[in-house]
Formats: sequence, C-alpha cells, structure tokens
Amino acid sequence: AQKITQTQPGMFVQEKEAVTLDCTYDTSDQSYGLFWYKQPSSGEMIFLIYQGSYDEQNATEGRYSLNFQKARKSANLVISASQLGDSAMYFCAMRGEYNYGQNFVFGPGTRLSVLP
Amino acid sequence: SQTIHQWPATLVQPVGSPLSLECTVEGTSNPNLYWYRQAAGRGLQLLFYSVGIGQISSEVPQNLSASRPQDRQFILSSKKLLLSDSGFYLCAWSVRNPSSYNEQFFGPGTRLTVL
Repeated sequence: AQKITQTQPGMFVQEKEAVTLDCTYDTSDQSYGLFWYKQPSSGEMIFLIYQGSYDEQNATEGRYSLNFQKARKSANLVISASQLGDSAMYFCAMRGEYNYGQNFVFGPGTRLSVLP
Repeated sequence: SQTIHQWPATLVQPVGSPLSLECTVEGTSNPNLYWYRQAAGRGLQLLFYSVGIGQISSEVPQNLSASRPQDRQFILSSKKLLLSDSGFYLCAWSVRNPSSYNEQFFGPGTRLTVL
C-alpha cells in the first residue's frame, strides 16, 4: 500500500523568504510519480509540480522546486520568494505504477501562511 | 483544452433529504473519474472512482452512491443525508489507464452543509 506523510500541519513564512514543505512517502512500486497541489481558500486544487521516480534531476516550475531524495523517500516542496498569494493548503500526492483507478494517494496537507 | 465542471457550487440540505451532485468533463474522452470528500481543514478522502460507463468502484462504505451514465458525466447521490456528509466534494479526472506521471485534474468543488 502507498502512503504519504506530511508532518507539518501548519507553517509560517515571511514574505519574500523561501519555505520548505515536507513530504515523505512509502511505496513498493519501482515506478511512481510524486505531485504537489495547492488549495487556496476557494477550494480548487491546483497542480503545481511533478517528479518522476526515475528523474535524475529535481523538478522545477517557476518559484516551485521539488527536493527529491529517493533513498530517503522524501519529496519536499520548496517555494522561493514567498508571496502573500502563496497562503494556502498544500498537498503532496503520489501515483503508483499500476493502472488501478484508485492508485492516486494524497497526504493530509500543510497549511502555509505567508506573513507580510 | 480540458475543463471540468461541478454543480452546484454550494448546497445546504436538511438531514434525511436526498442529494445529487453532478460532474462533467469536456475536451477529453474515456477519462477516469473520481469523487473525493474533504472535511473542514482535512485531507482528501477518495469516495468513488470510475474507469468507464457504468463501472463504479467504492472506496468507503457509506450512504453515498455514484453513477456514470455517460462517458464524461459522474454523479454523486444519496437517498438520505447524514450530518456527517457535510464537507467539500471534489470531482477529478485523469486519462484512462494512467501512468505514474499522469496527474489528476480537479473541478471547482461543491460545498455541502447538512443541517
């Protein structure tokens, strides 16, 4: 079974500073994908970034980067130069290699608050 | 481009009343479809998923049911709502037979309050 752990229920960061949101995962699959989603107060889930288990380089998308440490089974999200609009819930998720409809697993989320 | 719609956006229902939430996807064919529920301040709980018309798999036993009458339509229903059914309901889609790199795309959600 796959599992995602996010140990930080809430985080605070000062505007313009960088912040790291932790995510660890557990799977026996050889091939898997790791995803981060942002959920602002409006409720919509916004896809941010993806990392494949065989990707040798860490994924980056604008101010978002994923610090992927395969041996430690961690996939931390780094947000550089935080903005007030980054205040939201952030979910780490993974999809395993098997084509089952239910194989997309989410963590419990981290609430990020950006302070002015 | 693909879009996913959910309605209604908000709903307030009395305990014991029926429920019908609808989700439709545009711009793609043969998607996998998913219903999630999110309690206030909590993570996502997968309720149902569907890999095709009439094919529904339930993840959590409850008084909710789902149906997929058309390829791009997914409906969440209940005959009698409970207080514990309150929450934020999200519909999502992914490509059929998703690989590990295929993300899920979410609709705007329905906020349900059962009084």
